[in-house]
Amino acid sequence: LAKTTQPISMDSYEGQEVNITCSHNNIATNDYITWYQQFPSQGPRFIIQGYKTKVTNEVASLFIPADRKSSTLSLPRVSLSDTAVYYCLVGERNTGGFKTIFGAGTRLFVKA
Amino acid sequence: GAGVSQSPRYKVAKRGQDVALRCDPISGHVSLFWYQQALGQGPEFLTYFQNEAQLDKSGLPSDRFFAERPEGSVSTLKIQRTQQEDSAVYLCASSLARTSGRGNTGELFFGEGSRLTVL
Repeated sequence: LAKTTQPISMDSYEGQEVNITCSHNNIATNDYITWYQQFPSQGPRFIIQGYKTKVTNEVASLFIPADRKSSTLSLPRVSLSDTAVYYCLVGERNTGGFKTIFGAGTRLFVKA
Repeated sequence: GAGVSQSPRYKVAKRGQDVALRCDPISGHVSLFWYQQALGQGPEFLTYFQNEAQLDKSGLPSDRFFAERPEGSVSTLKIQRTQQEDSAVYLCASSLARTSGRGNTGELFFGEGSRLTVL
């Protein structure tokens, strides 16, 4: 099973760039890497997904090295509203279906 | 609807009661997932539907948990004889993608969850 490891928590200040790294040493060839954001009392929300190299959207960038054993979510110029839990997921295939595994996530605290 | 809708948002049950939690996925979404999220933890996979077929129920913690999606749209998660350890937020997510393919998760759209408290 492809598991992920992330820091439990991180602190930052408004306006800074935040980089959250996720380890997934057992990632399989067909697996994608996906990041979700979760605010209290809400369901997780998709941020970004990638397979290799770099992916960028209006919210974040995702950096994936050639060996794909880790990935880094980069949030540019964070604000207080970016305080949330961030989950790194690795797509996993299971017999007869598909299982999406969430880890414990990284709690990001953005301070003024 | 515009998003995934779950009901009830909050449910308090006495130990031993049966509960039913409902999920209305986004119209046309093929895949539907149920997750259980304990306080301070990440969501734990429970079960997965592709249309009306329950393709993976390996995450259901016991035979007291049962999920169905009879017409391939609305899904119900039923918990029989609730126990205190069942207290958690139950999240439903839907996805347009058929995820039994290449390994691409497809974007999951989550509801706000149903918070179950068992006394």
